[in-house]
Order: sequence, then structure tokens, then C-alpha cells
Amino acid sequence: AQKVTQAQTEISVVEKEDVTLDCVYETRDTTYYLFWYKQPPSGELVFLIRRNSFDEQNEISGRYSWNFQKSTSSFNFTITASQVVDSAVYFCALSEAKYGGSQGNLIFGKGTKLSVKP
Amino acid sequence: KAGVTQTPRYLIKTRGQQVTLSCSPISGHRSVSWYQQTPGQGLQFLFEYFSETQRNKGNFPGRFSGRQFSNSRSEMNVSTLELGDSALYLCASSWGEVPNEQYFGPGTRLTVT
Repeated sequence: AQKVTQAQTEISVVEKEDVTLDCVYETRDTTYYLFWYKQPPSGELVFLIRRNSFDEQNEISGRYSWNFQKSTSSFNFTITASQVVDSAVYFCALSEAKYGGSQGNLIFGKGTKLSVKP
Repeated sequence: KAGVTQTPRYLIKTRGQQVTLSCSPISGHRSVSWYQQTPGQGLQFLFEYFSETQRNKGNFPGRFSGRQFSNSRSEMNVSTLELGDSALYLCASSWGEVPNEQYFGPGTRLTVT
């Protein structure tokens, strides 16, 4: 069965600190996709990144970076020099690649609530 | 481009009633998925529609149903509402045929009393 675990329920940091959000996944598929979404207090999920199972390159986008390691089934997300506006709930999600082009369904972790204090 | 829109944003219903939620995807997106978000269960997949056909379905009872129209707009219906159906219902749209990023709407907050 597919599963996504975000062990950190809540994290609180002070502005400008670096913070890493952990994500561990389980799947038997050899082809799959991993995602990170951000849910600010307004409630709308905002897409951050997609990574497929064949691409283990780390990615950096501004203050955000992602570390994908198939050997440990992890897809961790680091925010460098955090800001108050980063306060949100962050979700890691897994999607299998279904035959026929289906989007499959996103299997979400429980989320990590990040609070960045000034 | 306009984002995903969902109507209504808030809804209060009584147990036993039925409800219909609406979702308009981003222009050009043909895939629409629905998710239920609750504090206890988190985000759970309900179903996905593509070109008016249900392509995938989550593990929810038959009281939850949906459809998609030729313009890709989608509706979901919940019949015989139960207290446990109180949740944020999120709609997401996507354009591709492999798992692409899904763009989410603001959600409909349903409260069942």
C-alpha cells in the first residue's frame, strides 16, 4: 500500500532560521511522483514542486530546496532563511503513474504546520 | 489565467439533506479531482474526472458522487448527509495525462448540523 509519513506535526522557528520538513514515503511502484504543497491559513493548497521517481537530482528554487533520496524513500524540503510568510501547513504527497493517463490520486501526508516567528 | 473556482465557499446543511458543490477548473484543464480535508483524516482523494468520465475513485461510500460537464466544470454531490461529512472539500484541476501538478481551488467548507 502507498503511504506518506510526515513525522513532524508542528515546527516553530524564529525568522531567518533554516528549517527542514521531513517526508518518508512507501510504494511498490517503480514509477511514481512526489509533490510538495503549501496550505496557508487561507486554505488554498499551493503547488511547490513535482519530482518523478527517475529524477533524483536535488532542486533549489530561491530559498526552497528539496532532497530526494530513493535509497531512504525520503523527499525532504528545506527552507533557508525562513520568513514569517512561510508560516503554513506543508504537505508531501505521492502519486502513482496509472496506465491510461489517469492523474491517479494524490496520497497526502498528514502535513507539518510551520510557524515562523519574527 | 483565472484559477480554480469553487462555489459556494461556505455551506451549512442539516443531517439527512443532500448537497451539491461546484468546481470550475482552470481554462484548458480537462482533469478535475476532488478531495476531502478533515482534521482527523487529513486530505483524502474522492474521485477524478477527465473528459466527462470518472477515471479514478477513492474509498468513499456511494453517497458521494460527481460528474463533469463538456466544459470541464465539475460537480460533486453528497446525499443523506452525516455529521462526519463536515469538511473542507477541495477541487483541483490539471492539464496533463501523467500525474502533473494539480491546481487547487479555495475549497467549500461544509458544516453538517
